[in-house]
Order: sequence, then structure tokens, then C-alpha cells
Amino acid sequence: DAGVIQSPRHEVTEMGQEVTLRCKPISGHNSLFWYRQTMMRGLELLIYFNNNVPIDDSGMPEDRFSAKMPNASFSTLKIQPSEPRDSAVYFCASTQTTPGDSNQPQHFGDGTRLSIL
Amino acid sequence: KQEVTQIPAALSVPEGENLVLNCSFTDSAIYNLQWFRQDPGKGLTSLLLIQSSQREQTSGRLNASLDKSSGRSTLYIAASQPGDSATYLCATLGPVGLIFGTGTRLQVFP
Repeated sequence: DAGVIQSPRHEVTEMGQEVTLRCKPISGHNSLFWYRQTMMRGLELLIYFNNNVPIDDSGMPEDRFSAKMPNASFSTLKIQPSEPRDSAVYFCASTQTTPGDSNQPQHFGDGTRLSIL
Repeated sequence: KQEVTQIPAALSVPEGENLVLNCSFTDSAIYNLQWFRQDPGKGLTSLLLIQSSQREQTSGRLNASLDKSSGRSTLYIAASQPGDSATYLCATLGPVGLIFGTGTRLQVFP
């Protein structure tokens, strides 16, 4: 079990640049989540996909943020243009969601530490 | 809107002590409550998951309880070890996904 794989692990870029974060969920999982963690706000859910379809994107902070899941094994979170206040650790998590079953924990990747200068 | 609070924010104890971490939440309409561990520079590791119909779950030296009526959960760690040092987060799962507390940073010293 390779776990949830995120890339890059670290990203440092200048304000205004486009940033793309990548996630490969655990094989067989049908739900994928993007979270952001900051000292001030803790862990916040940004967007949730089920069977590759975005279900809830109410946590996406602004139109500068977008997320896609073109297939069951890959998702991206894009920020364009990036701003210093976007600096945070971004986590991807996956799980197997079955209607009526709330017994499956989410499995997290190691995160991408993003710094916008 | 669900709010999840964890007390204390930080805890430092000598090795061998039994300890309790507290989590409280404002909305009892949850599917489950989960406890996670986060090591520095790492993602979250799921420790225990208590479904809304359950009262507690145990795994090794860890025991988590859930009281939905009072909006509280506790994580009990028996015979703490230096390897237990990490940040512990609780989270409730509801219709809008996981809502996390701000965590308890635990340090166990030899």
C-alpha cells in the first residue's frame, strides 16, 4: 500500500505565479479531499470529490483556486495567481465511501508545504 | 456551523504517565468522530474512529470515548512514551466533511 502520494513536497515561488499541486489517492478509494493547514486557521477542507466529481467546493477560498480530478488516480489543485497569504501546507486525503457506511477513515498524504514570496 | 475545540493546546508530561486529551463539538449531528496523530512535517495518521452509535473504541494503549449528548470526546493514552510525542487532532465527520479541532501538542519526556 503506497499511501496517498503528493507532489511536490515543497514549493517556493513568487507572488503572481501559477502553482499546481498534485495528488495520487490510494488505489480503490473513490473519495478525495483537499485540505489546507495554517497556524491561524488550522485544517480546513477546501474541496471534496466523489467518483471524480466535485461534490462540495464551498471551502475553496477564491476564484484563484481550482481543482480537478480527471481520473480516479489523479487530482490537481491549482492557484493562479498565487498570493503570499496562500502560504500553507496543503494536504490531500482519500477514502472509500459507501452509502450508509461511516466507518472508513481518511488517509492523508504528507502534504505540500507552499511558500509564496 | 460545527465548531470543534481541543483542550489543552499543549501538554508536557514525563514518560509513564496516563493522560487525557479533550475534544468538544457544538453540533451533535455527526456520522463519526476521529482522532488523528500528526508528526512534524508529516500528514495525519488515523488513530481511532468512533461511529455516532458507539461509545468508545480502543487500540493498544489508546482509548477514545464519545458522548454525543454533551458534545465531548476524550482520548486516553496509557503509560505514555516519548514516541507518543506529536500533535493530536480530533475531527467530526458530518454532511460537509471533516471538521478539525486545533489540536493538542503533546510532549513526553524521558
